[in-house]
Amino acid sequence: QLQLQESGPGLVKPSETLSLTCTVSGGSFSSTTYCWGLNRQPPGKGLEWIGSICYSGSSYYNPSLKSRITISIDTSKNQFSLRLRSVTAADTAVYYCAREYGDVSVHRIDYWGQGTLVTVSS
Amino acid sequence: SSELTQDPAVSVALGQTVRITCQGDSLRSYVTSWYQQKPGQAPVVVMYGKNIRPSGIPDRFSGSSSGNTASLTITGAQAEDEADYYCNSRGSSGDYMVFGGGTKLTVL
Repeated sequence: QLQLQESGPGLVKPSETLSLTCTVSGGSFSSTTYCWGLNRQPPGKGLEWIGSICYSGSSYYNPSLKSRITISIDTSKNQFSLRLRSVTAADTAVYYCAREYGDVSVHRIDYWGQGTLVTVSS
Repeated sequence: SSELTQDPAVSVALGQTVRITCQGDSLRSYVTSWYQQKPGQAPVVVMYGKNIRPSGIPDRFSGSSSGNTASLTITGAQAEDEADYYCNSRGSSGDYMVFGGGTKLTVL
C-alpha cells in the first residue's frame, strides 16, 4: 500500500521559507503515470492545490503561488519537496502530500498523506 | 474566489437523494474529480473521469457533467456520507489544477 509522509518544521517565522519534504513508500515512485503533488488547507477553510511535479521533472504550479514556490524531486530517495518563500500568516495550513494520476481524462488524486500543520508565526 | 464554484452547504434527509454541483468554465473542456473529507481526515477520492468510482466507494455515489457544470449525486444518502465535498479540475489555461470551495453536506 502506497504511503506518503510529510516532514518539516511545524513553525515558520514570517518572511522566512517553508520547507516540506514528502517521502513515498510502498509503491512505484518512478512511474511516468503519476505526478507528485502538494495541497494545503488553512484551518476551517477549503482545499488549495499548490502544485505538482512528475517523474520526468516537469512541474506545475498554482498561478497564485508560482512566484514563491519551488517543487523538486529526488528520485534516489523517493522524495519530493516544497519550498515556499516569504511566508505570511496566510500560509498557515495543513499541508498534504499526494499522488496524482497524470492522465488528463482520468486525473485524480488517489493517495494523500496524513497532513502536517505548518504555522507561520513569530 | 475559486475558478470552480460550489454551494457552501447542502442538506439531505436520510435515505433521500442529493446532488452536489460544481460550476466553472474549464469544466467544458476538462473532467472533474470529487473528494470527500471528514473532520480531521485527509480527503478521499469518490469519483473521477466520466463517472468512475474508485474501488470501495459505494454505488450510491455517481457523477455527471453537462456544459460548465459537474455534479456528484448520492442516491439514498447515509449518515456516514455527512462530510465536506470538493470538486477538482484543471484551471482555465489547463496547466494547473484547482479545487472548488467545498460543499458541507449534512444528513438529517
